[in-house]
Amino acid sequence: DAGVTQSPTHLIKTRGQHVTLRCSPISGHKSVSWYQQVLGQGPQFIFQYYEKEERGRGNFPDRFSARQFPNYSSELNVNALLLGDSALYLCASSPMAETQYFGPGTRLLVL
Amino acid sequence: AQKVTQAQTEISVVEKEDVTLDCVYETRDTTYYLFWYKQPPSGELVFLIRRNSFDEQNEISGRYSWNFQKSTSSFNFTITASQVVDSAVYFCALSEGSNQFYFGTGTSLTVIP
Repeated sequence: DAGVTQSPTHLIKTRGQHVTLRCSPISGHKSVSWYQQVLGQGPQFIFQYYEKEERGRGNFPDRFSARQFPNYSSELNVNALLLGDSALYLCASSPMAETQYFGPGTRLLVL
Repeated sequence: AQKVTQAQTEISVVEKEDVTLDCVYETRDTTYYLFWYKQPPSGELVFLIRRNSFDEQNEISGRYSWNFQKSTSSFNFTITASQVVDSAVYFCALSEGSNQFYFGTGTSLTVIP
């Protein structure tokens, strides 16, 4: 079975631009979560979606938004990019609760 | 306050040595889950184990073992007879049922051949 997939794998943007990251969960998983991992730190929770509804939001500014589609895939959008948004963005899926399975991540570099 | 503390930032061991990675957590919930993940240089977090708060039984899986002690709020991870392939960053995480995971800052393990 395919694991969690994310696209793109790498991305370079400049300050002020907008970015959209995509995630496809493991088949049968209805929950998707997004995490930001800055170099040298542990992942920080951004959003969780379950059955297309937002179930949780971490301490991130409103420039960060997300949505989940009927097929349970998800997009993370970040507006007005700052240098500090440079990080590895991880998507995780889970059936409903408990164990989260992570994708390979998208490495975003903001110049 | 940090919900998950991994005090060891970096550890180096020689191949075949045993190594223990420490994890201390903080929660007021009675129902929670603890996890360990491995992050190799490629970046993908690999799930290793999940423990719920009602199961303090220690677990062994091959060369890996986990020691869960609620009395000290610790969930330590031991690798026996370490191998070079074990080199990675290891994260301990806590979930309090909201499905939000709180990760520690990770322990970078280097196994020297």
